[in-house]
Amino acid sequence: DQQVKQNSPSLSVQEGRISILNCDYTNSMFDYFLWYKKYPAEGPTFLISISSIKDKNEDGRFTVFLNKSAKHLSLHIVPSQPGDSAVYFCAASADSGYALNFGKGTSLLVTP
Amino acid sequence: DSGVTQTPKHLITATGQRVTLRCSPRSGDLSVYWYQQSLDQGLQFLIQYYNGEERAKGNILERFSAQQFPDLHSELNLSSLELGDSALYFCASSVGGSATYEQYFGPGTRLTVT
Repeated sequence: DQQVKQNSPSLSVQEGRISILNCDYTNSMFDYFLWYKKYPAEGPTFLISISSIKDKNEDGRFTVFLNKSAKHLSLHIVPSQPGDSAVYFCAASADSGYALNFGKGTSLLVTP
Repeated sequence: DSGVTQTPKHLITATGQRVTLRCSPRSGDLSVYWYQQSLDQGLQFLIQYYNGEERAKGNILERFSAQQFPDLHSELNLSSLELGDSALYFCASSVGGSATYEQYFGPGTRLTVT
């Protein structure tokens, strides 16, 4: 049972434009959300996180938005750069617990 | 480089066999997590150890087991292997035991069962 869903397997964006990656979740107990980025042949690396007490968190070019009522979060990358091309995983945990529930990932391609 | 090391990088074995995957966490990290990434699947949490003790269990099969040793390295044992066990296995470590602590992932071990 996939509790974290990334319905777009891939996304292509031009360099300099905004990339928006979406994530939906089903478990209302989730209270901590993260985005990880993964390059081929490497492990995922942490990108940005957000607690359920916030609706926005920003770190440089990366902003995560959380809409609790819709059980939806999104990652905005502005401006997108070719080096951002990677697979992005959304993850969530319940009650700031121990395990992370990951989505299947969205492959982002930023073209020059 | 995350500071988390995993060995071996690749492993090819036959059905019915048993393998051991090894993980060394970042210096100072007490928590180790194991994840499985199969084709078309996201990262599936298997198990977590914190300072030598099992902390949380996910979708780990009974044929799989893990442990964390006093030096904090961890091993994931997979037995009676089936074709469906072919996957990338990631280890991650964090300084604390809850999910709010950033997890640092190793490069993974690619297991192929033939």
